[in-house]
Amino acid sequence: EIVLTQSPDFQSVTPKEKVTITCRASQNIGTSLHWYQQKPGQSPKLLIKRASQSFSGVPSRFSGSGSGTDFTLTINGLEAEDAATYYCHQSFIFPLTFGGGTKVEIK
Amino acid sequence: QISLKESGPALVKPTQTLTLTCTFSGFSLSTREVAVGWIRQPPGKALEWLALIYWDNSKHYSPSLQSRLTISKDTSKNQVVLTMTNIDPVDTAAYYCAHRTGSGNWYFDYWGQGILVTISS
Repeated sequence: EIVLTQSPDFQSVTPKEKVTITCRASQNIGTSLHWYQQKPGQSPKLLIKRASQSFSGVPSRFSGSGSGTDFTLTINGLEAEDAATYYCHQSFIFPLTFGGGTKVEIK
Repeated sequence: QISLKESGPALVKPTQTLTLTCTFSGFSLSTREVAVGWIRQPPGKALEWLALIYWDNSKHYSPSLQSRLTISKDTSKNQVVLTMTNIDPVDTAAYYCAHRTGSGNWYFDYWGQGILVTISS
């Protein structure tokens, strides 16, 4: 099973700041890595597919990068509405797995 | 547009069988390169993938839960059903179904609103 390790677990950030969340895979997964945003009481929403491709309708301040085992989600210019938990997810091989999540709080 | 909605019991007794239904619109599960999956999330915890069914009726299950899970589809009703046997309080979670696409580098793009299922006697 591929283990996805996210860091940090929690981040408290001032609006307009840059946020960087990392996801490390326990083995090479190419670009089969996707990022989701989940706000309290809501279902996850796809932000980035295939490591770096923005999903339709996602604000341009969200971007993804990486391949192999190391991936990054960046929020350029955090907005209050971005307070959420962010998850990475690998689809390279079964069983499908998710990272433990990174909670982003607005200061 | 694509939408999915989960339905089922909110409260289930331990040892019983849980049956959840995902009713969707905006796509057909008879179309190539389409799949529907189930993912759950215990309160305050991370997401856990459970099962997946493809347009061609091929299926995948979480190894840790495989013996307890069955996924099936009814293409005419636009539904996917997940059954989980021998339910335990640790199975208390929000259960989501999600549309999967991507042809070779798959991803879940649309999710249902989720249904909270509590296991308690």
